[in-house]
Amino acid sequence: AQTVTQSQPEMSVQEAETVTLSCTYDTSENNYYLFWYKQPPSRQMILVIRQEAYKQQNATENRFSVNFQKAAKSFSLKISDSQLGDTAMYFCAFLSTDTDKLIFGTGTRLQVFP
Amino acid sequence: DGGITQSPKYLFRKEGQNVTLSCEQNLNHDAMYWYRQDPGQGLRLIYYSQIVNDFQKGDIAEGYSVSREKKESFPLTVTSAQKNPTAFYLCASSIGGAQTYEQYFGPGTRLTVT
Repeated sequence: AQTVTQSQPEMSVQEAETVTLSCTYDTSENNYYLFWYKQPPSRQMILVIRQEAYKQQNATENRFSVNFQKAAKSFSLKISDSQLGDTAMYFCAFLSTDTDKLIFGTGTRLQVFP
Repeated sequence: DGGITQSPKYLFRKEGQNVTLSCEQNLNHDAMYWYRQDPGQGLRLIYYSQIVNDFQKGDIAEGYSVSREKKESFPLTVTSAQKNPTAFYLCASSIGGAQTYEQYFGPGTRLTVT
């Protein structure tokens, strides 16, 4: 069975600085997708970024980028130029192309300080 | 505006009563999902449906039931058999079909059972 591990329960960063959130996963599949979702205090789950396992190039979305290491089964999220609005829970998630099931990590609570 | 709606935002029930949570989407997505979120945990899959009139159990289906009579609607019933129903419930949808796509989430319903 697939598992997703986020080893940092809480992180903090000063506004305008850069922070990296860690995620590792375990799977025997070769084709899959990885996602980072953001859950602000409103509790709405918002898709931040997506990575297809077959793509070697790391995904980027404006200030958000990932470091995808397929052999190491690692998928970290880098937030550059952090903003107060980035304060939220961040969940790493694995999507199996076989089952279409999304498996979540336990989340990292990020606090951005002014 | 296309999106997923869940109502109500907050729901209170007495122990022993069944309660139905609403989820509607106008994204023309084939697949719909129900997740449960407890404090300190990631989301866990309750039920999912990849097409109208068909649905499958997720990882924690006991005490829950669903129906999928219409493409745009996927209501979840929390029955009195669910031992610990107080939680935050999130509905999601994805394009589905032959391709695997990311899931988009509704705003959630906070259910409190006393």
